[in-house]
Amino acid sequence: DAGVIQSPRHEVTEMGQEVTLRCKPISGHDYLFWYRQTMMRGLELLIYFNNNVPIDDSGMPEDRFSAKMPNASFSTLKIQPSEPRDSAVYFCASSHKSGVSNQPQHFGDGTRLSIL
Amino acid sequence: QQPVQSPQAVILREGEDAVINCSSSKALYSVHWYRQKHGEAPVFLMILLKGGEQKGHDKISASFNEKKQQSSLYLTASQLSYSGTYFCGTEEGNNDMRFGAGTRLTVKP
Repeated sequence: DAGVIQSPRHEVTEMGQEVTLRCKPISGHDYLFWYRQTMMRGLELLIYFNNNVPIDDSGMPEDRFSAKMPNASFSTLKIQPSEPRDSAVYFCASSHKSGVSNQPQHFGDGTRLSIL
Repeated sequence: QQPVQSPQAVILREGEDAVINCSSSKALYSVHWYRQKHGEAPVFLMILLKGGEQKGHDKISASFNEKKQQSSLYLTASQLSYSGTYFCGTEEGNNDMRFGAGTRLTVKP
């Protein structure tokens, strides 16, 4: 059973360029989460979707960040224009809710982003 | 609201025990525990729902005191493979997870 798939695994680009990170959640999962991890700020929730609809984007740092989920099997996180302080590891995770019980979040391997 | 974890770091010898604490200022619906090894993604350990339950597998267990909005992770007779950073994640009922800053656990031979 395939897990959460993220691409690319590594991205190095210059300041000002557009960056697009991609995520394929586990089939059947109806929640998708985007996180950013840095040494300084830890693991931060950026945005999450339920059934492809953005529910809470209060963690998105600035208007330069945007996320979409056009269908149940694909999501993107875009940064335009990118800045050096955006350098971090970005994780995508998916889960499903069974009744009132919350299920584990399954994380992808992450995208290590470096903005020069 | 990000939960508070303590301690920030702990170093153990193989076979020793450790306790990692997680507390929140908000009423919680559930607490999740994850472990992350260096350069890897966080991996799920267990979920505790409100009701004061305790869970465990192998020699890792956890408790959740919903009245105090606290959870503790217990690692018994630690093994080298337990090394990593442990995160608690808390949910307030709306399914958005907030993670603590993490506790770095190092187990030495």
